[in-house]
Amino acid sequence: AQRVTQPEKLLSVFKGAPVELKCNYSYSGSPELFWYVQYSRQRLQLLLRHISRESIKGFTADLNKGETSFHLKKPFAQEEDSAMYYCALLYGSSNTGKLIFGQGTTLQVKP
Amino acid sequence: DGGITQSPKYLFRKEGQNVTLSCEQNLNHDAMYWYRQDPGQGLRLIYYSQIVNDFQKGDIAEGYSVSREKKESFPLTVTSAQKNPTAFYLCASSTLQGANTEAFFGQGTRLTVV
Repeated sequence: AQRVTQPEKLLSVFKGAPVELKCNYSYSGSPELFWYVQYSRQRLQLLLRHISRESIKGFTADLNKGETSFHLKKPFAQEEDSAMYYCALLYGSSNTGKLIFGQGTTLQVKP
Repeated sequence: DGGITQSPKYLFRKEGQNVTLSCEQNLNHDAMYWYRQDPGQGLRLIYYSQIVNDFQKGDIAEGYSVSREKKESFPLTVTSAQKNPTAFYLCASSTLQGANTEAFFGQGTRLTVV
């Protein structure tokens, strides 16, 4: 069955430290993967897509099909990065859309 | 002002009653979704719809029902058969563009059974 797993409920780091939020997925086809973020009192919103291969707010994520992972990384955490992060998987054909999410990881960046 | 709107923000229901949560979007998106958010469990998919007059069950559809009579609207009914309905409910919509898909979320409805 298709599944997205985020093993850490809470990740706490100091400002300036590197950050890695883990995401593993289970899907036999070709996955489309995303990271979504929810800042305090704001709506859940897209942070980045695996296909874009670009850095957003200093975050990057690489799809590793061998390890079925899509970890989110940032070399130097900032206090404003504190938020809830969700990894998401879209599967089916290109014109269908079953979008499932992991359990979420709360990132806490301490000053 | 484009976006996705959920109402009400807070909802109280007595046990044994059905209740309907509203979700409207003016983004012209084909797909719409309902998720339930519980602490420690992330977002779990209840129902989704890719086109008007069609919808599919998600992972936790039991005790819920939906309709998609208009492209803009995807209401969720929490029935008395749902054993643990107290939760935060999120609605989302998206285009269907494969890897370029982006889902837009409402602000959520917090349902409490009293």
